[in-house]
Amino acid sequence: EAQVTQNPRYLITVTGKKLTVTCSQNMNHEYMSWYRQDPGLGLRQIYYSMNVEVTDKGDVPEGYKVSRKEKRNFPLILESPSPNQTSLYFCASSLLLSSYEQYFGPGTRLTVT
Amino acid sequence: AQKVTQAQTEISVVEKEDVTLDCVYETRDTTYYLFWYKQPPSGELVFLIRRNSFDEQNEISGRYSWNFQKSTSSFNFTITASQVVDSAVYFCALSVGTSYGKLTFGQGTILTVHP
Repeated sequence: EAQVTQNPRYLITVTGKKLTVTCSQNMNHEYMSWYRQDPGLGLRQIYYSMNVEVTDKGDVPEGYKVSRKEKRNFPLILESPSPNQTSLYFCASSLLLSSYEQYFGPGTRLTVT
Repeated sequence: AQKVTQAQTEISVVEKEDVTLDCVYETRDTTYYLFWYKQPPSGELVFLIRRNSFDEQNEISGRYSWNFQKSTSSFNFTITASQVVDSAVYFCALSVGTSYGKLTFGQGTILTVHP
């Protein structure tokens, strides 16, 4: 079954404690990205990757890091989380085409206290 | 830069009413794609439709229909005879030919259908 998986699904942490949210897809997609969803703002892109070892900033990259060492995985790293990073995070993947449907993971709800 | 505006923050209707969710987009690209996603209370994003900028034909899928008008830069979504299960947040999104996979989302419209 074609899918994007994210772990963990829920996470409560404290300010400054490094964390990683994993994302994996099984569709051999080149393009992967991370979005955060906040009330009244919709989803905004954090980082994206067009292939292995190729990553770039999206619209709201501050406070986040990513890596793409394998095609299927695209982890999101928060080196020093702050309360303003409390949000719902989605990983997505697609072919490298703007016309193509994005496949979204189930979301990770992060709370930073 | 691209922009998508969903001016309706929340809509409340009674079951069986028809409801239209508005979406207005901005882009200078001539090749672009418009999407609608549904986010039910469980939180996942469900793909509903994709439309390209060269195809202005309206589309109907069961109780759902979409009206794409380039002249007004709008891509509105109508649910006919709404049901409680239609209660969700609905997002309109845009991608352009040069952005590969990036989606620019609107703010979302919370639809509540009361029995």
